[in-house]
Amino acid sequence: EPEVTQTPSHQVTQMGQEVILRCVPISNHLYFYWYRQILGQKVEFLVSFYNNEISEKSEIFDDQFSVERPDGSNFTLKIRSTKLEDSAMYFCASSLLTGGKSEAFFGQGTRLTVV
Amino acid sequence: DQQVKQNSPSLSVQEGRISILNCDYTNSMFDYFLWYKKYPAEGPTFLISISSIKDKNEDGRFTVFLNKSAKHLSLHIVPSQPGDSAVYFCAATQGRNYGQNFVFGPGTRLSVLP
Repeated sequence: EPEVTQTPSHQVTQMGQEVILRCVPISNHLYFYWYRQILGQKVEFLVSFYNNEISEKSEIFDDQFSVERPDGSNFTLKIRSTKLEDSAMYFCASSLLTGGKSEAFFGQGTRLTVV
Repeated sequence: DQQVKQNSPSLSVQEGRISILNCDYTNSMFDYFLWYKKYPAEGPTFLISISSIKDKNEDGRFTVFLNKSAKHLSLHIVPSQPGDSAVYFCAATQGRNYGQNFVFGPGTRLSVLP
């Protein structure tokens, strides 16, 4: 069964460092997303991406964040200068359709720890 | 700003009985609703969805009911199994052509007791 894969599973970084979280969405999916879950809190939307551009982003997704689809298979989330409060599980997701017609499939997540 | 609420943080049910998980939403623009199951240290796993044009959708042991006038949906699991023990998230979105932002509830931890 096709699945969304994320690497690494766990990333520890020093405050102020840049991190790149990587995702390989399901191959025929067209819409890509990043979500995060801070420990003990709910899953929060960060950004959606379609047709090589951001289609929607939340207030969390400030100038420190960026996304890229560098080739036909990878989808990355970059945090330029990490803060302690960026520590969370980051989930990549993809969906085939949109417009309320298709569920999103989530990866296993990357646990980011900023020290 | 809790657009999607799950007022029961936890629920315990005996194996074989029915589990009913509830979800309320405030945004009347939401038109597509989903339930996800999540185990610790894993990503959410899609269970079942329902469009606002329906009031019920069934898939095996899982049934989702939608009451648009009350802005309420529920997930029924019958019969409940110990492997169903997980955190269940209700999610909602407004269908748009350029993508969809799923708004998640805080989750309900279901424990199915053998």
